[in-house]
Amino acid sequence: GDSVTQMEGPVTLSEEAFLTINCTYTATGYPSLFWYVQYPGEGLQLLLKATKADDKGSNKGFEATYRKETTSFHLEKGSVQVSDSAVYFCALSGAGSYQLTFGKGTKLSVIP
Amino acid sequence: DAGVIQSPRHEVTEMGQEVTLRCKPISGHDYLFWYRQTMMRGLELLIYFNNNVPIDDSGMPEDRFSAKMPNASFSTLKIQPSEPRDSAVYFCASSFSTGDNSPLHFGNGTRLTVT
Repeated sequence: GDSVTQMEGPVTLSEEAFLTINCTYTATGYPSLFWYVQYPGEGLQLLLKATKADDKGSNKGFEATYRKETTSFHLEKGSVQVSDSAVYFCALSGAGSYQLTFGKGTKLSVIP
Repeated sequence: DAGVIQSPRHEVTEMGQEVTLRCKPISGHDYLFWYRQTMMRGLELLIYFNNNVPIDDSGMPEDRFSAKMPNASFSTLKIQPSEPRDSAVYFCASSFSTGDNSPLHFGNGTRLTVT
């Protein structure tokens, strides 16, 4: 079945540092890929998505590129802020499916 | 748009008691999902509905769990009898059926503690 593997956390960075959170997936066909973010005490919110190979999703300074050859969708941000502290989830949905398969989440803490 | 609304935000109950969690999806969304989040297992899909009809309940842990969607604006997840291992955050989410993998909109969750 479909699965998503993302790097274990927690990740602690200083403000303005570069962020990478790795995500790889296993799926048949051509899934759509997503990053969701969960702030403390809240539900998940869509951060960005990519629906086909080589697409780049971007939002709020975050980027991720759909790499089919490496089955990856790594999340990056050039300069993190304290307000980026949250848990980040990589997810996929199979072609024609409305079900999301989530990774286990990576907690990011950004310190001033 | 008020978003997906869940109640209660927190529920503390004793083992053996019945627990009912409630969800109001975003108006016009025709898919509704119930997820459970724990530290050990992450986010697990329990069940989802399309146009108020349960489509896949293979994630429901056991017969103690049941979910209903009597109309387009309301769903419940019931646990009877509850057990300490049911302690988790339960999320409801909804989406459109656009055929373009419409994003899920999550509620803020219900934190359930069973003692």
